[in-house]
Amino acid sequence: AQTVTQSQPEMSVQEAETVTLSCTYDTSESDYYLFWYKQPPSRQMILVIRQEAYKQQNATENRFSVNFQKAAKSFSLKISDSQLGDAAMYFCAYRSALTHGGSQGNLIFGKGTKLSVKP
Amino acid sequence: GAVVSQHPSWVICKSGTSVKIECRSLDFQATTMFWYRQFPKQSLMLMATSNEGSKATYEQGVEKDKFLINHASLTLSTLTVTSAHPEDSSFYICSAHKAGSPYEQYFGPGTRLTVT
Repeated sequence: AQTVTQSQPEMSVQEAETVTLSCTYDTSESDYYLFWYKQPPSRQMILVIRQEAYKQQNATENRFSVNFQKAAKSFSLKISDSQLGDAAMYFCAYRSALTHGGSQGNLIFGKGTKLSVKP
Repeated sequence: GAVVSQHPSWVICKSGTSVKIECRSLDFQATTMFWYRQFPKQSLMLMATSNEGSKATYEQGVEKDKFLINHASLTLSTLTVTSAHPEDSSFYICSAHKAGSPYEQYFGPGTRLTVT
């Protein structure tokens, strides 16, 4: 079974600074997807960034980028120029690329990292 | 964009009663919908996977007779909590996988259930 581990329950960053959130995962599969989701106090899950395992290039989305190390099974999220609106819970998630009867599989989430941004 | 709605957003019910939560994909067809449960300050735990027109697949430890899931159409899945007890109080989140898309799931805003 696949597992996702986020070893940092809480992190804090100064506004405009850079912070990196850690995530490791365990799987025997070679093809999969990795995601970072943000959950603000409203509790609406928001996709931050996605990485396909077959791609060597790290994904980037504006101020958000990942460091994907497939051999090490590591998938960290870097937030540059942190803003007050970045304060939220961040969840790392894994999903197999295998389909089941034509349906996509479910997401497996880590326990989350609570990010605080200091003004 | 792909929008998923949930109704109601919050509900309070008495112990022993049943409550139904709806999850709708508003602008796309969802072949698969997922139901998650989230306790305060915890992560999302998958309860079940529902495919349109077939029986839901429940995760180990989730009582299928208590949490009834129906996925009657490509845009609607419902979760009914039967004979609710205070320990069923939680935040329930649905997500929908867009037909034809290999990537992300789209999440609803969640439903807060309080059983008194």
